[in-house]
Amino acid sequence: QQQVKQSPQSLIVQKGGISIINCAYENTAFDYFPWYQQFPGKGPALLIAIRPDVSEKKEGRFTISFNKSAKQFSLHIMDSQPGDSATYFCAANRGFFGAGTILRVKS
Amino acid sequence: KAGVTQTPRYLIKTRGQQVTLSCSPISGHRSVSWYQQTPGQGLQFLFEYFSETQRNKGNFPGRFSGRQFSNSRSEMNVSTLELGDSALYLCASRGAAWGDEQYFGPGTRLTVT
Repeated sequence: QQQVKQSPQSLIVQKGGISIINCAYENTAFDYFPWYQQFPGKGPALLIAIRPDVSEKKEGRFTISFNKSAKQFSLHIMDSQPGDSATYFCAANRGFFGAGTILRVKS
Repeated sequence: KAGVTQTPRYLIKTRGQQVTLSCSPISGHRSVSWYQQTPGQGLQFLFEYFSETQRNKGNFPGRFSGRQFSNSRSEMNVSTLELGDSALYLCASRGAAWGDEQYFGPGTRLTVT
């Protein structure tokens, strides 16, 4: 059973646009929700993380929105840049990962 | 501070052989976790070690094992390799507190032929 479901599988956004990636989880015991960014040939790198007592967290152009009642959380990348082109993973409690979203930002 | 290092970076093995992968965590980090990444299954948690003890284990067969040394360095072993074990194996380290972030190494690309 997949504990964290992520969508979409891939996403193409124009430079300057907003990229939105969504995740949903089942286990209400999860209490830590990180997002990772992975470039080809590299390991995932932590981008931003949130805990369920907070509904939104912003760091630069990256924002996590968290809806505890719906058991959903999303990553918004504002003013998307070609350098943001990568695979993004949501996760819960470090051990459960979404399937990943391949983001391509067109210049 | 140096990041997480993994050796070797690439490895080719034959079905039925065994393999040992190594991970050196960030200095001061006592927790090391291992993950398997494949196109089909994504990122899957293998196990976590803390102070030489396995703290958590994912849903993998007993052919996958690991250990951690007193200096926090960790090794992962896969015995009787199968074609399906071909994957990127990632190691991540973090500090002792629950809230500490984890940092991934570049991974070891294992190909089983």
